[in-house]
Amino acid sequence: DAKTTQPTSMDCAEGRAANLPCNHSTISGNEYVYWYRQIHSQGPQYIIHGLKNNETNEMASLIITEDRKSSTLILPHATLRDTAVYYCIVSPRSNDYKLSFGAGTTVTVRA
Amino acid sequence: DGGITQSPKYLFRKEGQNVTLSCEQNLNHDAMYWYRQDPGQGLRLIYYSQIVNDFQKGDIAEGYSVSREKKESFPLTVTSAQKNPTAFYLCASSEDRSSYEQYFGPGTRLTVT
Repeated sequence: DAKTTQPTSMDCAEGRAANLPCNHSTISGNEYVYWYRQIHSQGPQYIIHGLKNNETNEMASLIITEDRKSSTLILPHATLRDTAVYYCIVSPRSNDYKLSFGAGTTVTVRA
Repeated sequence: DGGITQSPKYLFRKEGQNVTLSCEQNLNHDAMYWYRQDPGQGLRLIYYSQIVNDFQKGDIAEGYSVSREKKESFPLTVTSAQKNPTAFYLCASSEDRSSYEQYFGPGTRLTVT
Protein backbone atom coordinates (compact mmCIF):
# COMPACT_ATOMS: atom_id res chain seq x y z
CA ASP A 1 0.00 0.00 0.00
CA ALA A 2 1.14 3.56 -0.68
CA LYS A 3 2.47 5.49 2.30
CA THR A 4 1.11 8.84 3.34
CA THR A 5 2.76 11.90 4.86
CA GLN A 6 0.80 14.28 7.09
CA PRO A 7 1.87 17.17 9.32
CA THR A 8 2.18 16.14 12.93
CA SER A 9 -0.12 18.84 14.24
CA MET A 10 -2.04 21.96 13.31
CA ASP A 11 -4.23 24.55 14.98
CA CYS A 12 -7.43 25.99 13.64
CA ALA A 13 -9.73 28.79 14.77
CA GLU A 14 -13.31 27.91 15.62
CA GLY A 15 -15.67 28.79 12.79
CA ARG A 16 -12.94 28.91 10.18
CA ALA A 17 -12.19 26.29 7.55
CA ALA A 18 -9.56 23.70 8.43
CA ASN A 19 -7.46 22.44 5.53
CA LEU A 20 -5.61 19.20 6.27
CA PRO A 21 -2.96 18.18 3.72
CA CYS A 22 -1.82 14.67 2.88
CA ASN A 23 0.92 13.57 0.51
CA HIS A 24 0.71 10.16 -1.16
CA SER A 25 3.17 10.42 -4.02
CA THR A 26 3.44 6.65 -4.56
CA ILE A 27 -0.30 6.05 -4.86
CA SER A 28 -1.25 3.54 -7.54
CA GLY A 29 -4.20 3.59 -9.88
CA ASN A 30 -6.47 1.28 -7.89
CA GLU A 31 -5.88 2.91 -4.50
CA TYR A 32 -8.44 5.10 -2.81
CA VAL A 33 -7.81 7.94 -0.36
CA TYR A 34 -9.69 7.56 2.94
CA TRP A 35 -9.94 9.93 5.86
CA TYR A 36 -10.80 8.94 9.40
CA ARG A 37 -10.62 10.86 12.63
CA GLN A 38 -10.19 9.78 16.24
CA ILE A 39 -11.38 11.87 19.13
CA HIS A 40 -9.34 11.28 22.27
CA SER A 41 -9.81 7.79 23.79
CA GLN A 42 -12.53 6.83 21.31
CA GLY A 43 -12.60 4.60 18.26
CA PRO A 44 -11.85 6.18 14.85
CA GLN A 45 -14.72 7.51 12.76
CA TYR A 46 -14.95 7.38 8.97
CA ILE A 47 -15.14 10.81 7.33
CA ILE A 48 -14.88 10.51 3.56
CA HIS A 49 -13.10 8.73 0.73
CA GLY A 50 -12.32 9.30 -2.94
CA LEU A 51 -10.50 7.93 -5.96
CA LYS A 52 -10.03 10.73 -8.50
CA ASN A 53 -12.85 13.22 -8.21
CA ASN A 54 -13.42 15.69 -5.42
CA GLU A 55 -15.98 14.49 -2.89
CA THR A 56 -18.23 16.23 -0.39
CA ASN A 57 -20.51 14.97 2.35
CA GLU A 58 -22.11 16.39 5.45
CA MET A 59 -18.84 16.25 7.39
CA ALA A 60 -16.16 17.41 5.00
CA SER A 61 -14.84 17.88 1.48
CA LEU A 62 -11.99 15.96 -0.10
CA ILE A 63 -9.89 17.58 -2.79
CA ILE A 64 -7.57 15.25 -4.74
CA THR A 65 -4.98 16.73 -7.09
CA GLU A 66 -5.11 15.76 -10.73
CA ASP A 67 -1.97 13.63 -10.47
CA ARG A 68 -3.44 12.06 -7.29
CA LYS A 69 -0.16 12.53 -5.42
CA SER A 70 -1.73 14.65 -2.71
CA SER A 71 -5.08 15.52 -1.22
CA THR A 72 -6.66 17.97 1.21
CA LEU A 73 -9.44 17.34 3.68
CA ILE A 74 -11.50 20.44 4.32
CA LEU A 75 -13.63 20.94 7.40
CA PRO A 76 -15.70 23.94 6.28
CA HIS A 77 -16.58 25.42 9.67
CA ALA A 78 -14.46 23.90 12.40
CA THR A 79 -15.97 23.52 15.87
CA LEU A 80 -14.36 22.58 19.16
CA ARG A 81 -15.78 19.07 18.72
CA ASP A 82 -13.62 18.65 15.61
CA THR A 83 -10.50 18.52 17.79
CA ALA A 84 -9.11 15.07 17.01
CA VAL A 85 -6.37 13.10 15.27
CA TYR A 86 -7.07 12.92 11.53
CA TYR A 87 -5.76 9.97 9.54
CA CYS A 88 -5.18 9.97 5.80
CA ILE A 89 -5.08 6.40 4.48
CA VAL A 90 -4.41 5.05 1.02
CA SER A 91 -5.57 1.55 0.27
CA PRO A 92 -6.88 -0.54 -2.60
CA ARG A 93 -10.49 -1.55 -2.49
CA SER A 94 -9.95 -5.25 -2.82
CA ASN A 95 -10.97 -8.56 -1.36
CA ASP A 96 -8.16 -8.28 1.15
CA TYR A 97 -9.40 -5.00 2.51
CA LYS A 98 -7.30 -3.58 5.33
CA LEU A 99 -6.60 -0.08 6.56
CA SER A 100 -3.14 1.05 7.66
CA PHE A 101 -3.32 3.90 10.13
CA GLY A 102 -0.23 6.07 10.54
CA ALA A 103 0.32 8.69 13.23
CA GLY A 104 -2.09 11.19 11.63
CA THR A 105 -2.41 14.94 12.20
CA THR A 106 -3.46 16.21 15.61
CA VAL A 107 -5.89 19.04 14.93
CA THR A 108 -6.70 21.42 17.75
CA VAL A 109 -9.60 23.80 17.22
CA ARG A 110 -9.29 26.88 19.41
CA ALA A 111 -12.08 29.23 20.47
CA ASP B 1 -29.31 1.29 18.20
CA GLY B 2 -26.96 -0.52 15.86
CA GLY B 3 -23.30 -0.50 16.62
CA ILE B 4 -20.26 -2.21 18.04
CA THR B 5 -19.81 -2.85 21.73
CA GLN B 6 -16.57 -3.65 23.49
CA SER B 7 -16.38 -4.60 27.10
CA PRO B 8 -15.03 -3.77 29.52
CA LYS B 9 -13.73 -0.25 28.85
CA TYR B 10 -10.84 -0.76 31.27
CA LEU B 11 -9.21 -4.10 32.09
CA PHE B 12 -6.40 -4.91 34.49
CA ARG B 13 -4.49 -8.18 34.56
CA LYS B 14 -1.39 -9.65 36.09
CA GLU B 15 1.50 -10.63 33.88
CA GLY B 16 1.34 -14.26 32.75
CA GLN B 17 -2.46 -14.41 32.55
CA ASN B 18 -4.44 -14.79 29.36
CA VAL B 19 -7.25 -12.30 28.92
CA THR B 20 -10.13 -12.21 26.44
CA LEU B 21 -11.55 -8.96 25.09
CA SER B 22 -15.14 -8.94 23.92
CA CYS B 23 -16.40 -7.44 20.64
CA GLU B 24 -20.02 -7.68 19.52
CA GLN B 25 -21.78 -6.03 16.59
CA ASN B 26 -25.45 -5.92 15.60
CA LEU B 27 -24.87 -4.29 12.21
CA ASN B 28 -25.07 -7.62 10.35
CA HIS B 29 -21.57 -6.96 9.02
CA ASP B 30 -19.56 -9.78 7.50
CA ALA B 31 -16.07 -8.43 8.23
CA MET B 32 -14.55 -7.71 11.64
CA TYR B 33 -11.14 -6.43 12.71
CA TRP B 34 -8.95 -6.03 15.77
CA TYR B 35 -6.44 -3.18 16.09
CA ARG B 36 -3.94 -2.23 18.75
CA GLN B 37 -3.01 1.38 19.53
CA ASP B 38 -0.06 2.48 21.66
CA PRO B 39 0.21 6.01 23.09
CA GLY B 40 0.80 8.65 20.42
CA GLN B 41 0.77 6.13 17.61
CA GLY B 42 -1.59 4.98 14.90
CA LEU B 43 -3.53 1.73 14.81
CA ARG B 44 -1.93 -1.59 13.94
CA LEU B 45 -3.96 -4.52 12.64
CA ILE B 46 -3.85 -7.67 14.76
CA TYR B 47 -6.38 -10.01 13.13
CA TYR B 48 -9.27 -9.71 10.74
CA SER B 49 -12.15 -11.93 9.68
CA GLN B 50 -14.05 -11.65 6.42
CA ILE B 51 -16.65 -14.33 7.17
CA VAL B 52 -17.72 -16.63 9.98
CA ASN B 53 -15.26 -19.42 10.82
CA ASP B 54 -12.47 -17.73 8.91
CA PHE B 55 -9.82 -15.22 10.01
CA GLN B 56 -6.38 -14.00 8.94
CA LYS B 57 -3.36 -12.62 10.73
CA GLY B 58 -2.72 -8.93 10.49
CA ASP B 59 0.58 -7.14 10.93
CA ILE B 60 1.14 -7.95 14.62
CA ALA B 61 -0.65 -11.25 15.34
CA GLU B 62 2.05 -12.83 17.53
CA GLY B 63 0.82 -13.41 21.07
CA TYR B 64 -2.85 -13.01 20.13
CA SER B 65 -5.62 -15.40 19.12
CA VAL B 66 -9.17 -14.93 17.84
CA SER B 67 -12.27 -16.91 16.98
CA ARG B 68 -15.25 -16.17 14.76
CA GLU B 69 -17.91 -18.73 15.61
CA LYS B 70 -20.79 -16.28 15.21
CA LYS B 71 -21.23 -13.44 12.73
CA GLU B 72 -21.82 -10.89 15.47
CA SER B 73 -18.93 -11.82 17.75
CA PHE B 74 -15.13 -11.62 17.32
CA PRO B 75 -13.36 -12.07 20.68
CA LEU B 76 -9.63 -11.41 21.02
CA THR B 77 -7.44 -13.33 23.48
CA VAL B 78 -4.25 -11.68 24.61
CA THR B 79 -2.00 -14.54 25.65
CA SER B 80 0.91 -14.58 28.04
CA ALA B 81 3.17 -14.86 24.99
CA GLN B 82 2.43 -11.24 24.05
CA LYS B 83 5.48 -9.36 25.34
CA ASN B 84 3.93 -5.90 25.66
CA PRO B 85 0.18 -6.38 26.08
CA THR B 86 -0.61 -3.03 27.71
CA ALA B 87 -2.39 -0.99 25.02
CA PHE B 88 -5.69 0.37 23.74
CA TYR B 89 -7.54 -2.31 21.75
CA LEU B 90 -10.09 -1.39 19.12
CA CYS B 91 -12.56 -3.63 17.34
CA ALA B 92 -14.14 -2.67 14.01
CA SER B 93 -16.53 -4.11 11.47
CA SER B 94 -17.43 -3.45 7.85
CA GLU B 95 -20.31 -4.56 5.69
CA ASP B 96 -18.23 -6.92 3.61
CA ARG B 97 -14.68 -7.56 2.48
CA SER B 98 -14.74 -4.73 -0.06
CA SER B 99 -16.58 -2.12 1.98
CA TYR B 100 -14.76 1.18 2.28
CA GLU B 101 -16.08 2.17 5.71
CA GLN B 102 -15.13 0.53 8.97
CA TYR B 103 -17.19 1.14 12.09
CA PHE B 104 -15.23 1.16 15.32
CA GLY B 105 -16.17 0.27 18.86
CA PRO B 106 -15.28 2.44 21.88
CA GLY B 107 -12.18 0.39 22.68
CA THR B 108 -10.80 -1.51 25.69
CA ARG B 109 -7.80 -0.16 27.56
CA LEU B 110 -5.81 -3.14 28.85
CA THR B 111 -3.18 -2.73 31.54
CA VAL B 112 -0.96 -5.66 32.46
CA THR B 113 1.32 -5.36 35.48
